Amino acid sequence: GAVVSQHPSRVICKSGTSVKIECRSLDFQATTMFWYRQFPKQSLMLMATSNEGSKATYEQGVEKDKFLINHASLTLSTLTVTSAHPEDSSFYICSARGILAGTATSYNEQFFGPGTRLTVL
Amino acid sequence: GQQLNQSPQSMFIQEGEDVSMNCTSSSIFNTWLWYKQEPGEGPVLLIALYKAGELTSNGRLTAQFGITRKDSFLNISASIPSDVGIYFCAGPAGYSTLTFGKGTMLLVSP
Repeated sequence: GAVVSQHPSRVICKSGTSVKIECRSLDFQATTMFWYRQFPKQSLMLMATSNEGSKATYEQGVEKDKFLINHASLTLSTLTVTSAHPEDSSFYICSARGILAGTATSYNEQFFGPGTRLTVL
Repeated sequence: GQQLNQSPQSMFIQEGEDVSMNCTSSSIFNTWLWYKQEPGEGPVLLIALYKAGELTSNGRLTAQFGITRKDSFLNISASIPSDVGIYFCAGPAGYSTLTFGKGTMLLVSP
């Protein structure tokens, strides 16, 4: 249980274009999803927290108009990097916590997706 | 906010050796989590600790929640090449968010 998938795994785009990354919880209801960014040889930096059906909460210094987050269902959250620039190139990872489908079992831990490598040319 | 200091920053060991890494925080935690991240992948939860003094094992991995609630350690016994990766400690940073240590990169030579 507690599997999180991400799509795409890699994306290369031109500067100025927008890129959408999907994060899905496969076997549990993700009441909360998190988006992280990780630069090479660095730790994970939280960008935003989203609860299903409500607006995302962004960390200080993260532009909400540039990194659009939608968490419209209990199994899907999307991160759209708008007008991407080379400095946005990074490894983007989502995580989720929530309730095992069909039960009352809740996960306190965060379970991570496999990440999306974004390269902006 | 909470800061996590993780050490060592990196380790290069031979297969079969035991490994120990630790994490300290500037404030009291009620949860400690240990994750492993392999290149190009997301972190995978290894061990979760919820009680001060708790000692939990997962195969060759053992982690302890420090009595002071400001530290935790992770031990790996009889290391093997597939243990290679970056190990992160993490603790709660708010209602539902986590803060991560800077990671310990482990390299194991056959």
